[in-house]
Amino acid sequence: NAGVTQTPKFRVLKTGQSMTLLCAQDMNHEYMYWYRQDPGMGLRLIHYSVGEGTTAKGEVPDGYNVSRLKKQNFLLGLESAAPSQTSVYFCASSFPRGGGTGELFFGEGSRLTVL
Amino acid sequence: AQKVTQAQTEISVVEKEDVTLDCVYETRDTTYYLFWYKQPPSGELVFLIRRNSFDEQNEISGRYSWNFQKSTSSFNFTITASQVVDSAVYFCALHAYQSGSARQLTFGSGTQLTVLP
Repeated sequence: NAGVTQTPKFRVLKTGQSMTLLCAQDMNHEYMYWYRQDPGMGLRLIHYSVGEGTTAKGEVPDGYNVSRLKKQNFLLGLESAAPSQTSVYFCASSFPRGGGTGELFFGEGSRLTVL
Repeated sequence: AQKVTQAQTEISVVEKEDVTLDCVYETRDTTYYLFWYKQPPSGELVFLIRRNSFDEQNEISGRYSWNFQKSTSSFNFTITASQVVDSAVYFCALHAYQSGSARQLTFGSGTQLTVLP
């Protein structure tokens, strides 16, 4: 059972390039999330999804787009990467016991560097 | 808006000492959930505990214990007889409704705990 898998694990981009991070979960979870982690700032929510075909903005959505075409996948896109998007990105999923209160299961993280 | 404050950025202790990590939260939601996660040097996030706002009973799990006090909006985490393997970044998080949206999980900035041998 793989849990939550993120690809790629590492990526270096030049300013202005685009890329997509893929998150896949095999736990049949309804909710999926993308967070970014920066030093001294904890994890901040970028976008999330409460089900297939739905997405919503989190705390820091600017510069990112997401799609949830299949229940098991949640894609995070950067259309025109900027150095400020250098970060570690975490995907997470949860089964919403009691209305979205279940614990989050995290992927291993994807380290993105934008030069 | 909801907020989680972990005022201790870094803590160093010597092995076998007890250590308490502080967490203070803010929310207008009356039903909310509090979490602690551990992030070891390998980078993954490990779930430790979840508490709901209606259950103020303290919890103990081995060397770990949690003190939830609604009166002071705090959810502190104590490690008894610390070990080197406890060295990690610990995050407190709050799951509550943001205005106009579904519940979101808000993290504190984390506390780096270093346990010295």
